[in-house]
Amino acid sequence: DIVMTQSPDSLAVSLGERATINCKSSQSVLYSSNNKNYLAWYQQKPGQPPKLLIYWASTRESGVPDRFSGSGSGTDFTLTISTLQAEDVAVYFCQQYYSTPITFGPGTKVDIK
Amino acid sequence: QVQLQESGPGLVKPSETLSLTCTVSGGSISSGSYYWSWIRQPPGKGLEWIGYIYYSGSTNYKPSLKSRVTISVDTSKNQFSLKVTSVTAADTAVYYCARALYDSSGYFLFIDIWGQGTMVSVSS
Repeated sequence: DIVMTQSPDSLAVSLGERATINCKSSQSVLYSSNNKNYLAWYQQKPGQPPKLLIYWASTRESGVPDRFSGSGSGTDFTLTISTLQAEDVAVYFCQQYYSTPITFGPGTKVDIK
Repeated sequence: QVQLQESGPGLVKPSETLSLTCTVSGGSISSGSYYWSWIRQPPGKGLEWIGYIYYSGSTNYKPSLKSRVTISVDTSKNQFSLKVTSVTAADTAVYYCARALYDSSGYFLFIDIWGQGTMVSVSS
C-alpha cells in the first residue's frame, strides 16, 4: 500500500495570511506514460463529508476559489491557501489514486490564529 | 445534480453483519464513467477506502477488508450496497458512499461526489 503522510498535523494562521500543507507519499504517484500525478486534495468541515478541492495534484475543481492551489510532483506535494478566510477552517486530506488500495493522508487541521 | 444518500442501521452488535445502502438520485448509476465507492471514517480519525463497484457488478476491495466486505449494485433501484460481516468495535465509523471517476484504462481516480455519511456504532 502507498502510505500518505501529512505535515503539520495542525496549524493556525491569521486571516488573510498564507497556509501551507505538505503531503508525502511512500512511493511516486507520477505516472510516466501521461506525466500526471495521481494525487487529490479534499477539505472536510465539521459534520460534513469531504469536498474535492484539487486533482491531478494541481487542477482546481470547478467552483473552488482560486486562493486554493496545489503543487508538487513524484512524492512531495503542497496545498496552499494563499489568503486564509474564516470559511477555510477545516481538515485537509491528500489522497493518492495511483494504485489500489486508494489511501488518504491523516489530515491537517487548519484554524484561525 | 447527482446526490448520494446512505441508509441503514446506526447500531450493530459485535459479530453481526453491517448492511448499508446508498441511493443515487439526479443521475443513473448505469451511466458509466464512474465507480461507486464506500469510504469510512472512525470518530476523530482519517479516511479509509473500503472498495468500489462498477454498474456491471465488477468490484475492487481493500485487501485487508476483502474477506469481510461485499459491495453489490441494484441498477433497477439506482442503489448500491455494502455488507461487512463479523463486525467489531473497530468497524465503528461514519460510512460514506461516494462517486469516483475512472480513466480510459479503468483506473480509479478521485472522488467528486460524497454522500452525507451515516454513523454506524458496533456495540452490544
